[in-house]
Amino acid sequence: AQSVTQLGSHVSVSEGALVLLRCNYSSSVPPYLFWYVQYPNQGLQLLLKYTTGATLVKGINGFEAEFKKSETSFHLTKPSAHMSDAAEYFCAVSDLRGSTNAGKSTFGDGTTLTVKP
Amino acid sequence: DTGVSQDPRHKITKRGQNVTFRCDPISEHNRLYWYRQTLGQGPEFLTYFQNEAQLEKSRLLSDRFSAERPKGSFSTLEIQRTEQGDSAMYLCASSSGQGAYREQYFGPGTRLTVT
Repeated sequence: AQSVTQLGSHVSVSEGALVLLRCNYSSSVPPYLFWYVQYPNQGLQLLLKYTTGATLVKGINGFEAEFKKSETSFHLTKPSAHMSDAAEYFCAVSDLRGSTNAGKSTFGDGTTLTVKP
Repeated sequence: DTGVSQDPRHKITKRGQNVTFRCDPISEHNRLYWYRQTLGQGPEFLTYFQNEAQLEKSRLLSDRFSAERPKGSFSTLEIQRTEQGDSAMYLCASSSGQGAYREQYFGPGTRLTVT
């Protein structure tokens, strides 16, 4: 079974500071990894995903994440936080690749990002 | 592309009543997923469809839960004899094609409160 651990349920940064949200996964096969953002009263929106190839993945709104197989990590970063980045962020791993029944995602418990002015 | 829509957005019901939620996926998306999200947790997988076929059900989905996607378009999730523990946000998502690398597009969710 696959699992995701997000370290830190709440992260607070000042506007303009570096954002770092941590995600570690466990998987018996190379995973597909995702970061989603959820604003209040809205559904989840994809920020970025890792499938194959380059391990540094760039997403929307200036976010990026690096897949590190040796550390089983997929941390999300943004060089300079903006007030509009305040939201809840979820890391997710997809089901086993190669199976016709694959596709469901396993999510972490989320990290709430607060941005202070 | 109007996105994934869910109806209703909010539902308050009394314990023991039946409720039904509807999800309209992005048109031509052949995969549709249902998740449940409780406060302070990430979405938990419930079930998913490829076209009209229900391919997998989570152990979270007790016998009181049933989901359908009769024509491979919209889907319904019914909860019979609701319990207070069923209070949660129910999320629907859809994706195109096959493969675990496909992005899922989420609807805004239906918030269920069982009193």
